[in-house]
Amino acid sequence: EPEVTQTPSHQVTQMGQEVILRCVPISNHLYFYWYRQILGQKVEFLVSFYNNEISEKSEIFDDQFSVERPDGSNFTLKIRSTKLEDSAMYFCASTLPPAEQYFGPGTRLTVT
Amino acid sequence: GNSVTQMEGPVTLSEEAFLTINCTYTATGYPSLFWYVQYPGEGLQLLLKATKADDKGSNKGFEATYRKETTSFHLEKGSVQVSDSAVYFCALRPWAGNQFYFGTGTSLTVIP
Repeated sequence: EPEVTQTPSHQVTQMGQEVILRCVPISNHLYFYWYRQILGQKVEFLVSFYNNEISEKSEIFDDQFSVERPDGSNFTLKIRSTKLEDSAMYFCASTLPPAEQYFGPGTRLTVT
Repeated sequence: GNSVTQMEGPVTLSEEAFLTINCTYTATGYPSLFWYVQYPGEGLQLLLKATKADDKGSNKGFEATYRKETTSFHLEKGSVQVSDSAVYFCALRPWAGNQFYFGTGTSLTVIP
């Protein structure tokens, strides 16, 4: 069964550093998403991406964040200058509507 | 706005006990409702879904009924197994838009 994959599984970075989280969505899917979950809190929507552009974004997704689909298979989330409060589990998801979203296993980001 | 409220965990049950995890929602229009499950070290997997009022989603012995009058989608299982130990997330997808809104997740541990 096809699945969404994410790398790395755990990323540790220092405050102020840039990080790139990588995702490989399911190959025939058209919509791609990033969510995050701060420990003990809700899974929160960050951004959706369709047809090579952002289709929706939340207020969390400020200028520090960007997304890209550089090569037709990868989908990346970049945080330009990480803050302590960016520490969370980041989930990538993809879908071919109207089906449900398929989620990856997540990347745990720890900012020190 | 759209939101999901889920019962607090963690929940610990003995094998073969009855499980209920409460979920209520706030949404405009007619959302679709979902339960996702996350096993240790894995991503979010769809457990079941319901797309309109009075629909019952079911899978692997789990059930949930979309109750518009009480804005609820409670998850139930008649006899839990040790292998059901996981974190369970209630989620909604609004009528318009593709992003999901999640609850905080409920951790379930089933002991032999």
